[in-house]
Order: sequence, then C-alpha cells, then structure tokens
Amino acid sequence: SAVISQKPSRDICQRGTSLTIQCQVDSQVTMMFWYRQQPGQSLTLIATANQGSEATYESGFVIDKFPISRPNLTFSTLTVSNMSPEDSSIYLCSVTGTGPYEQYFGPGTRLTVT
Amino acid sequence: AQTVTQSQPEMSVQEAETVTLSCTYDTSESDYYLFWYKQPPSRQMILVIRQEAYKQQNATENRFSVNFQKAAKSFSLKISDSQLGDAAMYFCAYRDAELIFGKGTKLSVKP
Repeated sequence: SAVISQKPSRDICQRGTSLTIQCQVDSQVTMMFWYRQQPGQSLTLIATANQGSEATYESGFVIDKFPISRPNLTFSTLTVSNMSPEDSSIYLCSVTGTGPYEQYFGPGTRLTVT
Repeated sequence: AQTVTQSQPEMSVQEAETVTLSCTYDTSESDYYLFWYKQPPSRQMILVIRQEAYKQQNATENRFSVNFQKAAKSFSLKISDSQLGDAAMYFCAYRDAELIFGKGTKLSVKP
C-alpha cells in the first residue's frame, strides 16, 4: 500500500482566513481524492484530483471554496478558503492502490476554526 | 444511487470474544467491491478487508472475516478473538465509480 503523509496534522485557524493542506505520496498515483469528515460523521468526498487536469468536485463543494492543485503524480494540495466554524473537520487525502478499486488514506488534518 | 447502511451506531465486545458488525447496501450493479475500514482515535483510515462481488467465497484476513450475502445485499464483518487494539470506528464502504461510506459503527472492547 502507498504511504501517505499530510501537513499540517492539525491547526486552529481564525474565521475568514485560509489554510492549505498538503498531501504527499511515496509513489506515483493517478487518482487522488480529498474527503471531509465532520465531527462524529462519516467521510464525504470533496473532489477527485488527477494530474494535468482540473479537479472534479462533488455536489455541494465548489472550487472557490476548496481550490485543489495537483502539480505532479505524488503531490496535491487542498485549500480551505474564507473559513467559518462550519469548516471545522478532519480533511483526508486518499489515493488508489495497486489492487483493484482499493483506496488508501492519509492520517488526516484536523482543522478547528474559531 | 448507491447507499450503504450501518444500523449499529455502537457495539461492545469483551476481550477475546467475537463480534459481528452489520452492513447493508443498495445497488443495481452486479460487479462492485465492498470494503471495511477501521478508524482508531488516531483517525488514520485503515483498510481491513475487501470483497469482490463476483467472488462467492467470503474474504478473510487473520481474525477478520466477512459474511457476504449478495442477494440480500449484506456485508457483515466478524472480528474473532477481539483485542483492545480493535477498538475503533468501523466503516463499511461500497465502490463502483467512487467510494461510498456508511455512517460507521463505534466498537468498544472491554478488558
């Protein structure tokens, strides 16, 4: 399985500011995903990021709020813009594995907005 | 649309005993994949076990096994010889075009 790291692991931010979360994978992967996990909830897919193309956003998520970069096959960033307390969540990066349809997850970034 | 339902928000098991976590799903597809993920307090999502829908044989990974009933659209996880380290949130997930998660079951293990 791929080894995935995320930075920062946690942060406390003020309302109205932005935070960029980095995701680094130890091998080249085609598809990377960003998920949000609100407190006590399940995971919700924010967007799919493929290298060399614009990210594809799920219903309810927009590029202006969650801009994503995918400059190469091992790295991606998610920015949470103009944050409000409702953005307080865990944000997880995920990649597809070598096995069919498997996905692996990073350790997550716990974001608290005050 | 595909949905995944975990009807047990919380479960508890005595150490060394066996526990079964339930999961049902809804799909019109015939070929798909099912997964169980574990999320301990460290929040790292860990893939526990995978089942291909076209395989009749139930998947097994050490102490973890599944009971896959395709016609009933049921995919339960059995944990044998439960250990304290098994305490976590367990998410059932269905994959077709994307990975869809259930709401999770919080498993507690009593020493």
